[in-house]
Amino acid sequence: GAVVSQHPSWVICKSGTSVKIECRSLDFQATTMFWYRQFPKQSLMLMATSNEGSKATYEQGVEKDKFLINHASLTLSTLTVTSAHPEDSSFYICSASRLGRGLYEQYFGPGTRLTVT
Amino acid sequence: DAKTTQPTSMDCAEGRAANLPCNHSTISGNEYVYWYRQIHSQGPQYIIHGLKNNETNEMASLIITEDRKSSTLILPHATLRDTAVYYCIVRANFGNEKLTFGTGTRLTIIP
Repeated sequence: GAVVSQHPSWVICKSGTSVKIECRSLDFQATTMFWYRQFPKQSLMLMATSNEGSKATYEQGVEKDKFLINHASLTLSTLTVTSAHPEDSSFYICSASRLGRGLYEQYFGPGTRLTVT
Repeated sequence: DAKTTQPTSMDCAEGRAANLPCNHSTISGNEYVYWYRQIHSQGPQYIIHGLKNNETNEMASLIITEDRKSSTLILPHATLRDTAVYYCIVRANFGNEKLTFGTGTRLTIIP
């Protein structure tokens, strides 16, 4: 149990276009999902926290108008990179949180590699 | 979240036990120690977590010192598939707190 999927697994887009990444919790309901970004040879950096039915909370330095997050259901959150530029090329990873054994447990998706040309 | 300190890299021979240390000297009483690992180009994988008692599951054992200022993750019989970056994270258990990743330890299992 506790499987999180992401789609697509990789995407190449041209500079100036927008890209949507989906994150789904397949076998549980997640009231909270988190979006991370990871540049080569670096650690994961949290971008935003997404709660179902409410606006996402963005970390300092992350542009909310550029990285649009929608969490319309308990099993789906989407991240849209608008007007993508080469510096947005990165590995985007989501996680979904569920309450289990008295603790909130986070399960991660496999990641989406975005390349902007 | 309290910060953690881990060695940058470690090597371990295949079949031997891999012991990965983590220092978290400023940990608070309500904070848990979590371990995740990330195999190249994949999402992080949960390994184990604990509060103050030692924990064991099918993947690993977690040994937490009595003062809780440090811990050790033990992979009892390392295989080549255990090569990954291992992250030690301290996280409070109220609400749905985010995970803050440090630089982790790059563990290489040597044949």
